Amino acid sequence: NAGVTQTPKFQVLKTGQSMTLQCAQDMNHEYMSWYRQDPGMGLRLIHYSVGAGITDQGEVPNGYNVSRSTTEDFPLRLLSAAPSQTSVYFCASSYSASQENQPQHFGDGTRLSIL
Amino acid sequence: GEDVEQSLFLSVREGDSSVINCTYTDSSSTYLYWYKQEPGAGLQLLTYIFSNMDMKQDQRLTVLLNKKDKHLSLRIADTQTGDSAIYFCAEKRGDYKLSFGAGTTVTVRA
Repeated sequence: NAGVTQTPKFQVLKTGQSMTLQCAQDMNHEYMSWYRQDPGMGLRLIHYSVGAGITDQGEVPNGYNVSRSTTEDFPLRLLSAAPSQTSVYFCASSYSASQENQPQHFGDGTRLSIL
Repeated sequence: GEDVEQSLFLSVREGDSSVINCTYTDSSSTYLYWYKQEPGAGLQLLTYIFSNMDMKQDQRLTVLLNKKDKHLSLRIADTQTGDSAIYFCAEKRGDYKLSFGAGTTVTVRA
């Protein structure tokens, strides 16, 4: 049981390049989400999914796409990378879409730099 | 996440109690959470409190909730060096979303 696995751990991109950040969980969790963490701003929700085939936007969705074709995987795509997307990205999952007392399990993060 | 506010830094002596404060704005929030982030790692849920509770205790952790003032605090008793981390307050908004504060960096000094 690996929990939430994010790859890669580090990545450097040039402006305009595209990239997919991978996230996989092996806990059969219904809910998955992507956050970005920037200094002094905490975590901001990018996109989330309450089940396979269902995705929705969070606070800061612009410039990112997601899909949820399986329960296990929730990739995040940067369509045309911009320096403003330099950040640490976290994927999280929880058993229940309504969360409540179900904890969100976080991956270790992907540190992304856009030059 | 800007609706949840926390002080950015806290320095505490080993063995003393730490108190981390948080204010939130959504009076309809049903659950409030405290997460811990160690260097280079993701967030780990420490504890949570339901909005109809005033206090919750879990070993060295005590959460106090003042719903009237929308104020949440986390007290860590007998703070240890392993408690050095960033602590995030979060509120549940709507059905699915969590809104996080900016995090409080706690430094434990010998």
